[in-house]
Amino acid sequence: EVQLLESGGGLVQPGGSLRLSCAASGFTFNSYSMSWVRQAPGKGLEWVSTISSSGGGTYYADSVKGRFTISRDNSKNTLSLQMNSLRAEDTALYYCARIHYGSGGTFDIWGQGTLVTVSS
Amino acid sequence: EIVLTQSPGTLSLSPGERATLSCRASQSFNINSLAWYQQKPGQAPRLLIYAASSRATGIPDRFSGSGSGTDFTLTISRLEPEDFAVYYCQQYGSSPPSWTFGQGTKVEIK
Repeated sequence: EVQLLESGGGLVQPGGSLRLSCAASGFTFNSYSMSWVRQAPGKGLEWVSTISSSGGGTYYADSVKGRFTISRDNSKNTLSLQMNSLRAEDTALYYCARIHYGSGGTFDIWGQGTLVTVSS
Repeated sequence: EIVLTQSPGTLSLSPGERATLSCRASQSFNINSLAWYQQKPGQAPRLLIYAASSRATGIPDRFSGSGSGTDFTLTISRLEPEDFAVYYCQQYGSSPPSWTFGQGTKVEIK
């Protein structure tokens, strides 16, 4: 079964750091680009970051550029998001998602999300 | 940066009725990069439609997508109880890679 399982969320103070992880299973992880998409409480979806299948290409939304770093370990089928200088507006449910370029750059598989709360 | 505007914000309909959801882009783009997602409360989004009009695996044929240029539509021909949810359109831009979502349309039971 194709599956993505996020972990690492929690409560952090403004200015603090947090590292999210996503464990992938059921598919050839190193063949796919992967992304993080977030959803603030009661709000819509916002793309955060994407990493290419090899890890050689990384892309970020302007709202997180310079503060967040996406990475992957293809030997462990794991995707990560290092979040620094966190702000209250980063509070959201963070989803890990697989990108399928064959269907036009869609997010075809999603995890269930991990909640990040930035508050003092 | 392309901005996607969905309308209406909320659609109140009864089971069996037809739902028509709109997604308008701030500029024209390749229709192959337009997708629709469904999200139910407490669940992750699910891919419904890709390339503007192709149904994803396992999606019932009551869901259909259409459009081109800057105007796209998701139609649910006859609403089933499980279709009441929030729907998002999404666009992929390749240079540089970026992904944009509309703000969502909630389809609620009337």
